Amino acid sequence: EVQLVESGGGLVQPGGSLRLSCAASGITVSSNYMSWVRQAPGRGLEWVSIIYDNGNTYYADSLKGRFTVSRDNSRNTVSLHMNSLGAEDAALYYCARVLILNSPNDAFDVWGQGTMVAVSS
Amino acid sequence: QSVLTQPPSASGTPGQRVTISCSGSSSNIGRNTVNWYQQLPGTAPKLLIYDNNQRPSGVPDRFSGSKSGTSASLAISGLQSEDEADYYCATWDDRLKRVFGGGTKLTV
Repeated sequence: EVQLVESGGGLVQPGGSLRLSCAASGITVSSNYMSWVRQAPGRGLEWVSIIYDNGNTYYADSLKGRFTVSRDNSRNTVSLHMNSLGAEDAALYYCARVLILNSPNDAFDVWGQGTMVAVSS
Repeated sequence: QSVLTQPPSASGTPGQRVTISCSGSSSNIGRNTVNWYQQLPGTAPKLLIYDNNQRPSGVPDRFSGSKSGTSASLAISGLQSEDEADYYCATWDDRLKRVFGGGTKLTV
């Protein structure tokens, strides 16, 4: 069974940084596309970033270069490094495995339970 | 404000058929496939439909998807109380990459 478990969320001050992790079991992250999706309280889903099996990374334009996605093959984990956090970044952050369809189409077929990020002074 | 427009709410009674629409443009739905996600209260989203009309293993055939031009629809037949959830459409947008609709809250 494929399972994704996020961790690392918490309360951070405005302007601060945080690193989220996604531990995978049942799949090898280096052989998959892995993505982050966030959901602000009471709001809809927003795609954040993706890391391809070849290591290429892509981000939502709205992030303005503040986030970095990476992976640790030895630990089978994917991480999201977030800098210069603001109130707009407060959300539940989900890790998701990407089902590859006909390029550029894809879908998020396995989701973790999410880790909450709060931004407040 | 999402580039994919969904009605904020929909409702139906048990046994009914309901549809949820997702309206986009030529830069997203018009040239790419559409996925649908179901988010039950307090849980993570679940892939419901991919590639416009394909169901992942385990998804009942009461759920179906379709696409025409720059719009897509999710249909749920034989509505059940456990279908009460938020539903999101999603696709690729030429400028924004991966985008979601604003979501539709279905009340049964």
